[in-house]
This record gives sequence, structure tokens and C-alpha cells, in this order.
Amino acid sequence: QSVLTQPPSASGTPGQTVTISCSGSSSNIGFNDVYWYQQLPGMAPKLLIYKNNQRPSGVPDRFSGSKSGTSASLAISGLRSEDEADYYCAAWDETLDGGVFGGGTPLTVL
Amino acid sequence: QVQLVESGGGVVQPGASLRLSCVVSGFTFSTYAMHWVRQAPGKGLEWVAVITYDGSNKYYADTVKGRFTISRDNSKNTLYLQMNSLTSEDTALYYCGRKGSAGGWYFPFLDYWGQGTLVTVYS
Repeated sequence: QSVLTQPPSASGTPGQTVTISCSGSSSNIGFNDVYWYQQLPGMAPKLLIYKNNQRPSGVPDRFSGSKSGTSASLAISGLRSEDEADYYCAAWDETLDGGVFGGGTPLTVL
Repeated sequence: QVQLVESGGGVVQPGASLRLSCVVSGFTFSTYAMHWVRQAPGKGLEWVAVITYDGSNKYYADTVKGRFTISRDNSKNTLYLQMNSLTSEDTALYYCGRKGSAGGWYFPFLDYWGQGTLVTVYS
């Protein structure tokens, strides 16, 4: 049972917009920044979003992040087949005094 | 370019110890905090530990506290994870990652990751 809750799966067709949610609490998302990672099959994770909504250089603007209260979301617009991957949210938890990840959401591009 | 290369994984029996290493290049190691994150086979990511740029402060996940020790040698551009009293629950691919330059030094903001080293604990 992960501290941050993500949907167990997500899917969409090419060109669509998909949103993945990440639900936490006042001790993690409600208090600290949220980060998003993309893990392609067989690969190491890659940073997608930092500080809730900032994109590292090289990450397409099709990827966007937002945060409100104790929840955060990752939106992927103009869905492409190469977006098929696992997506994870992460934050620092003040109560646990440690980092926490969501359980991950595998995205399928139909 | 930034590179992180983990090593030291292997197959061990329960109760054994292992030391993982992460050799970095392409950036000034001594100015960045560093993380360890693991991923059990077929499972999600689990944060393990973080260390300040100079090794003066550390945080650990409750699941490894008291058994694992994160450390670094800035003269060797190397991050370590000493793992003691290993159990089958520690079986995972272990990644090291560089803490990005924003937010608290301990935040799980990893802007570069290694490819991981596999630790298998079984009898």
C-alpha cells in the first residue's frame, strides 16, 4: 500500500489527452513539491516534472503537471505510442521523514 | 555528459551483507545530494535513502533504517550503500540518482539516474 495513491492503469488513443492522478495527504503533497517520473519498459526512470509543474529541458510540452491541495496530476496531451510507460509521482513526507512514491500507473496507448 | 554507474549487486543468502557503489562523472559530485531508490521485480519504485553533498546528513526509509547505511567519498566521485542483515524483501534493482538543484536537499527530485544493480536475496 503506497503512501501516494495512483490509478492502477490508464489508457488512451493516439492524439488524445490522458490524465494521471496522485493523491496524498497534508504531510506530503499538501506540504511539499511533487515530482513525476516516466519509466519505459526495461529502462531506468526518467524525470518528467519537478516542483509540481516544471519540465526539465528536453521533456516535450505535451507533458504537464499540476497540484491542488493534497493531490497532483500529470497530463499527457497529443498521446503517442512512445508514451506507453509506467508513470510515478513522488514527494517528501514530513511525518515519515522520507521520500514516498506512488504505486505507479502503467499507460497503454491503444 | 552526466553518468551514474552502479555496481556491487549479486546473489546472497538471508542475513548477508553487500555494499553497492555508484560511480559518477560529468558533474561536480561534491556539490550534489544523492539518493538510492529500489525496485523489486515487477513492482514499483521505493525510495531508500538520501545523503547531503558533504555526507553530513542522511535520511532512510523505515524499511531499511538500522540495516542500511548511505555514505559517499567525494574524492572518488562515489556513492555507497552498505546493506546488512539482508532479507528476501530487499531483493530489487537498486538505482542511484542525483538530487536536482531545486527544493529541499532531501526531496525525491532525481534528475539523473543510473541503470541499476540487481540484488537478489534467497536461500
